[in-house]
Amino acid sequence: QVQLQESGPGLVKPSETLSLTCSVSGGSISHFYWNWIRQAPGKGLEWMGYIYYTGSTNYNPSLKSRVTISVDTSKNQFSLRLSSVTAADTAVYYCATLGPSVYWGQGSLVTVS
Amino acid sequence: QSVLTQPPSVSGAPGQRVTISCTGSSSNIGAGYDVHWYQQLPGTAPKLLIYGNSNRPSGVPDRFSGSKSGTSASLAITGIQAEDEADYYCQSYDSNLSGYVFGAGTKVSV
Repeated sequence: QVQLQESGPGLVKPSETLSLTCSVSGGSISHFYWNWIRQAPGKGLEWMGYIYYTGSTNYNPSLKSRVTISVDTSKNQFSLRLSSVTAADTAVYYCATLGPSVYWGQGSLVTVS
Repeated sequence: QSVLTQPPSVSGAPGQRVTISCTGSSSNIGAGYDVHWYQQLPGTAPKLLIYGNSNRPSGVPDRFSGSKSGTSASLAITGIQAEDEADYYCQSYDSNLSGYVFGAGTKVSV
């Protein structure tokens, strides 16, 4: 059973860069597309982007100028960087696979303040 | 505005059947991409409820069922219980976006 765990700072200052890592266990990162999704307080789920183990990426156009997703196959991890953050980027950030197999992490709350 | 459209809320008395619609377009659901459904209780991560349009993961009660037709999908809860009060989201893939899309969520009240 694949398990995902997000890690990173819970507090980021405005204008700085948010960085999170997702550790994958129970399976190889050399399968699936690996995604980041976020959920602002009281709001719905927003897909941010994905990466394949080859390094191929695709991002939500609404965030494309600020988002970078990278992968480290040697560590079975992938990471998210979101630049120039504002209070509107305060959210719970999830890593996940979204199909055909679906696995989610428990989420990591990041507050921009 | 979400690519997938869900009603903001639905409600039903205990034991009734409620359905949640998820309407997409020819670039996502209508293109044949799978629809997944999630249940989210307050303060918790989304839980996979239905995958691949109509399949239940192990442990999900059989009162939850999913279907898909054309550019829409539906989640049905047959014999709804108080513990089913939660937010429900549909999710698929969109070829125009070349990425994944979610509905805005439906709050279910019992």
